Amino acid sequence: DGGITQSPKYLFRKEGQNVTLSCEQNLNHDAMYWYRQDPGQGLRLIYYSQIVNDFQKGDIAEGYSVSREKKESFPLTVTSAQKNPTAFYLCASSIEGEAFFGQGTRLTVV
Amino acid sequence: QKEVEQNSGPLSVPEGAIASLNCTYSDRGSQSFFWYRQYSGKSPELIMFIYSNGDKEDGRFTAQLNKASQYVSLLIRDSQPSDSATYLCARRDNYGQNFVFGPGTRLSVLP
Repeated sequence: DGGITQSPKYLFRKEGQNVTLSCEQNLNHDAMYWYRQDPGQGLRLIYYSQIVNDFQKGDIAEGYSVSREKKESFPLTVTSAQKNPTAFYLCASSIEGEAFFGQGTRLTVV
Repeated sequence: QKEVEQNSGPLSVPEGAIASLNCTYSDRGSQSFFWYRQYSGKSPELIMFIYSNGDKEDGRFTAQLNKASQYVSLLIRDSQPSDSATYLCARRDNYGQNFVFGPGTRLSVLP
């Protein structure tokens, strides 16, 4: 089945640790996005990529990094510089029209 | 500012009533608009999209767009308890190729 797969569903991070969230799509979409959602809040754009080997910062990129080495994959690394990473992270892709979302990863700092 | 604004709610309506969700935006370059439904702890799922001024109907849902007033709305007819969720309004402009989401309106349909 075509879709976007995020893993893991739940992730726990210790203070000072880097963690990487996976996002894979088999929809042949060019554009991919990472959003962060805090409780009771909307979606805020972290990074986006319109094409392989190119990506742009969104509104809240500080403390995060991404790569886009393959069209299908757009992993997000939450670095130790992100002081408040506990949130729900959503990956999306698009070619034209709407954005399609993965199931999300809930990251918690322990 | 290129923001999308929504009343956060909660909006409570009785079962069978019409729920009216509203959204305004500030970027006149916006070309397309989307309504997503998000259940608690889940990812957003598309309800409707609208590109042209006027109304667009799909089953119990009607989206309305007024570009002159920079206003988008979603009407849900015959509301059901299963419609209880947060509804996110989003815009996309052809230039930026990005989606900008509003904070969402929480809808509660009371049995």
